[in-house]
Amino acid sequence: QVQLHESGPGLVKPSGTLSLTCAVSGGSISSSNWWSWVRQPPGRGLEWIGQIYHSGSTHYNPSLKTRVIISVDKSKNQFSLELNSVTAADTAVYYCAREIPAGINWFDPWGRGILVTVSS
Amino acid sequence: QSVLTQPPSVSGAPGQGVTISCTGSGSNIGAGYDVHWYQQLPGTAPKLLIYENNNRPSGVPDRFSGSRSGTSASLAITGLQAEDEADYYCQSYDTSLSASVFGGGTKLTVL
Repeated sequence: QVQLHESGPGLVKPSGTLSLTCAVSGGSISSSNWWSWVRQPPGRGLEWIGQIYHSGSTHYNPSLKTRVIISVDKSKNQFSLELNSVTAADTAVYYCAREIPAGINWFDPWGRGILVTVSS
Repeated sequence: QSVLTQPPSVSGAPGQGVTISCTGSGSNIGAGYDVHWYQQLPGTAPKLLIYENNNRPSGVPDRFSGSRSGTSASLAITGLQAEDEADYYCQSYDTSLSASVFGGGTKLTVL
């Protein structure tokens, strides 16, 4: 079955850029699914960051849109997240997830998540 | 402040039942958009629990059920077990935000 695995630096300096990659295994990123990033600040709830299709089409959360870029690399079967001008408020566990196409897509499965701390 | 409102916590004794509400508005649940539910056990990633309001993925016990009406949705859990202790999140879509939205989460404590 499809599995996702996040990777990237666990520590980013304030005003820097957070860069993460999600490797997809057990299935093709070129399938009829959107692929998403979701984050969870410590002790808080979930926030959808954005999504990408294998064609490169993207949609972003309006609250983060000016700072986010999500890209896809079909040759490596992975997609990536870049979040720039980070502050302590961006400290969170970042999850990647597959979206199941439906009237309203749902997220399944999820990666294990990666904690990214923004600190000098 | 989450677009979908959930109670911060609920609790129940083993064997009892609880209900978790998810209240939205006319731009999300009230617009007819489906609701999905996730269970997040301590220290783990969220896991799909209910999709499209009332459907259970394979492997989810029938003790878990969902419903949607008007601008709200609910997750019901019967026959509580210690392993049900987790955070539960609802998810839908908001047309005003053009974004997937989550509830703030509800912590279930099994007494």
